[in-house]
Amino acid sequence: ETGVTQSPTHLIKTRGQQVTLRCSSQSGHNTVSWYQQALGQGPQFIFQYYREEENGRGNFPPRFSGLQFPNYSSELNVNALELDDSALYLCASSRGDSQETQYFGPGTRLLVL
Amino acid sequence: EDQVTQSPEALRLQEGESSSLNCSYTVSGLRGLFWYRQDPGKGPEFLFTLYSAGEEKEKERLKATLTKKESFLHITAPKPEDSATYLCAVQAWTSYGGSQGNLIFGKGTKLSVKP
Repeated sequence: ETGVTQSPTHLIKTRGQQVTLRCSSQSGHNTVSWYQQALGQGPQFIFQYYREEENGRGNFPPRFSGLQFPNYSSELNVNALELDDSALYLCASSRGDSQETQYFGPGTRLLVL
Repeated sequence: EDQVTQSPEALRLQEGESSSLNCSYTVSGLRGLFWYRQDPGKGPEFLFTLYSAGEEKEKERLKATLTKKESFLHITAPKPEDSATYLCAVQAWTSYGGSQGNLIFGKGTKLSVKP
């Protein structure tokens, strides 16, 4: 069984640029959730996708957007990057529409200069 | 507002010295409480899910317990390889009876076990 994978592992961008992060869900999982984890903090919920539809969103501005594809993989897009967007971005997959345990990928470390 | 508070922020133990980590939560209706382990620069690794007060789960040297207000992660005779940050998260029921998709995390307890 393949676990959750994310790409790229590390990324450096400058303020104002746009970035796309990718996530492949665990086999058999149709729900993907994205979290932002700043240094020394717990993960903060960005949004969740279930069967290609957004199924809940945290307190993040609209410049954070996402997609889920028919194979249940997902993208997180961030426009107009700000310095405070520097963080570890985590993707988690689960079965169903939020009832099951979320399993996390290794994360993408984003540094905005 | 739903929230999770973990204590202590950091804990240093000698190998073999048992201790407990605390997770206090405030949530409108608890659907589940989750414990994860996170190594530096990596994603959280799932450990346990607890659903109701009085429930306990064990895995090797770890035992998680749940009350109506808090959860404890007991570590018995820890080894250096148990060093990591332990995260607690809750998932709440919605007002219409379904569960919210998001997990609400605490800041974690950083555990260091010295040989």
